[in-house]
Amino acid sequence: SYVLTQSPSGSVAPGKTATITCGGDNIGDKIVHWYQQKSGQAPMLVIHDDSDRPSGIPERFSGSNSGNTATLTISRVEAGDEADYYCQVWDSSSDHVVFGGGTKLTVL
Amino acid sequence: EVQLVESGGGLVQPGGSLRLSCAVSGFSISYNYMSWVRQAPGKGLEWVSIIYSAGTTSYADSVKGRFTMSKDNSNNTIFLQMRSLRAEDTAVYYCASLYWSSGSCHVDHWGQGTRITVSS
Repeated sequence: SYVLTQSPSGSVAPGKTATITCGGDNIGDKIVHWYQQKSGQAPMLVIHDDSDRPSGIPERFSGSNSGNTATLTISRVEAGDEADYYCQVWDSSSDHVVFGGGTKLTVL
Repeated sequence: EVQLVESGGGLVQPGGSLRLSCAVSGFSISYNYMSWVRQAPGKGLEWVSIIYSAGTTSYADSVKGRFTMSKDNSNNTIFLQMRSLRAEDTAVYYCASLYWSSGSCHVDHWGQGTRITVSS
């Protein structure tokens, strides 16, 4: 089955830019979605269809997808952005939803 | 307002069974794809199952043959029947609605989760 690979953790200073990657075989041929999960809460969609932001998500959140890597970028990071971030695709070959392992983002 | 409210969680012994429910309001599950997603303590999200609008289902390999997802369109409720439970099934189970477009889907609404603990 299809595998998505994320770095387990990352850190960034407030006001700087955080880059979270999601690797997969030819992931650029798939559509990637991103979720934010804060401690003790259900996940929340922050990017869908590679680069679209749901209503209410700040413009600071953006996404891209090409080749073997999809990227979630958070500009001008705030303390409230500290969370776990998960990428997700639909694997049509198995009819499965696939999540990456998640990246824990720490704001220094 | 869309709401997904799970129930049925609790403590169960290894080898036991449990049925989770998810009551949905704000849209009709008759026309939507629904999923269960779980999260073991301190771990990431793991997709469990999907039920399509027509009622067909698909499962993660880790639960295939042990879990059965179903729905009651008239009561706008989905279910997850779990059998032969193992310690590794211990997790928070989220009910999720899927938005489908352009050959892909994402979760557009999540429940608050219900906790399952498999332990003797």
